[in-house]
Amino acid sequence: NAGVMQNPRHLVRRRGQEARLRCSPMKGHSHVYWYRQLPEEGLKFMVYLQKENIIDESGMPKERFSAEFPKEGPSILRIQQVVRGDSAAYFCASSPDSHTEAFFGQGTRLTVV
Amino acid sequence: KQEVTQIPAALSVPEGENLVLNCSFTDSAIYNLQWFRQDPGKGLTSLLLIQSSQREQTSGRLNASLDKSSGRSTLYIAASQPGDSATYLCAVRYSNYQLIWGAGTKLIIKP
Repeated sequence: NAGVMQNPRHLVRRRGQEARLRCSPMKGHSHVYWYRQLPEEGLKFMVYLQKENIIDESGMPKERFSAEFPKEGPSILRIQQVVRGDSAAYFCASSPDSHTEAFFGQGTRLTVV
Repeated sequence: KQEVTQIPAALSVPEGENLVLNCSFTDSAIYNLQWFRQDPGKGLTSLLLIQSSQREQTSGRLNASLDKSSGRSTLYIAASQPGDSATYLCAVRYSNYQLIWGAGTKLIIKP
């Protein structure tokens, strides 16, 4: 049973480009969480999704950021018109339900140049 | 506001020493608390998870304790080794699904 898979592991984008981060949850997990870790800081919650639904996006910046978890395929975190301040590690976690321990992926490190 | 604080921010000790990392949280109504390890540029490895009804959990040389009333958890590492060098993160879960994270303690074990 493969763990939570995130790709790419490293992503470099120029300012103004779009970044797409993918997360494939563990088999049997229908709940996905995205967290962001800025340099030298702890992780901050961004969004919680179930299949085809956004449950809580209270941690998402109001502009340029969006997330989806379609019926088929991975969850996608999309950042439009990236800025240098978006440079961070983005972690995805999955769980079978909202009350069970979530398992984390290896993260995607986004660098905006 | 629910906050998690980890002290110290960094710690350097000689190999072989026993050490304690601290985590404090402002709201004691937790669901569980989890300790993670993060190696530079790498992902997160879950070390120990303590449910709110538990006082401690042990795994090998690691022991984590939980005192909800005082809002504290400690991670005890016995007989430290250079391979233990990493950043250790404490994350607290409340009644919802979010984890509230500390900023971590960067641990260096000197050979």
